[in-house]
Amino acid sequence: QVHLVQSGSELKKPGASVKISCKTSGYTFTNYAVNWVRQAPGQGLEWMGWINTNTGNPTYAQAFRGRFVFSMDTAVSTAYLQISGLKAEDTAIFYCAREGYSRGRYYFDQWGQGTLVTVSS
Amino acid sequence: DIQMTQSPSSLSASVGDRVTITCRASQSISDYVNWYQQRVGQAPQLIIHSASNLLSGVPSRFSGSGSGTDFTLTVNGLQPEDFATYYCQQTYSTPRTFGQGTKVEIK
Repeated sequence: QVHLVQSGSELKKPGASVKISCKTSGYTFTNYAVNWVRQAPGQGLEWMGWINTNTGNPTYAQAFRGRFVFSMDTAVSTAYLQISGLKAEDTAIFYCAREGYSRGRYYFDQWGQGTLVTVSS
Repeated sequence: DIQMTQSPSSLSASVGDRVTITCRASQSISDYVNWYQQRVGQAPQLIIHSASNLLSGVPSRFSGSGSGTDFTLTVNGLQPEDFATYYCQQTYSTPRTFGQGTKVEIK
């Protein structure tokens, strides 16, 4: 059974950094890309980007270039999201999602439970 | 970037109603559209991929249709567990944009 399990909630001060983990199991990690999605309080889903788990190459949406870094460790089948220089407006739930595929079509078929990051002084 | 415009942003319905949510892409995207359901306090869940393919285990009262720029998610016979927010998403190109969501509330 496929699982994506994320690390727990974080409370950080402005300017600090945070690293969220997304541990996968039940499938071959390198066969599926991992995407990251942000959901600000009371808001919709915002695609942040993805990491190619074959090559480790990340791709970032325009709004997430600079302070956001995707990484991974294939030995433990885990993807990571690191955010530096945290701001109050970074307060959100962050989700990792596996990108499944079928006949050339792509979709986020498995999601982590989400990690709430709260930035407050 | 491809914009996905959902309508309505919210709706009120009763158990047993038929509900239709639409999603319009800013350019033609074939059938590269997925639909997700997000219940309060939970992660989103994929319910339909590639415009009309129902995920295994999802009740058959859900259906999707469309191609090109206009897509529809229909729920025939709304059940209590269907009250949630629904999002469309395009995976035709990067960035993989979502619609703004449609909140389905109890009337």
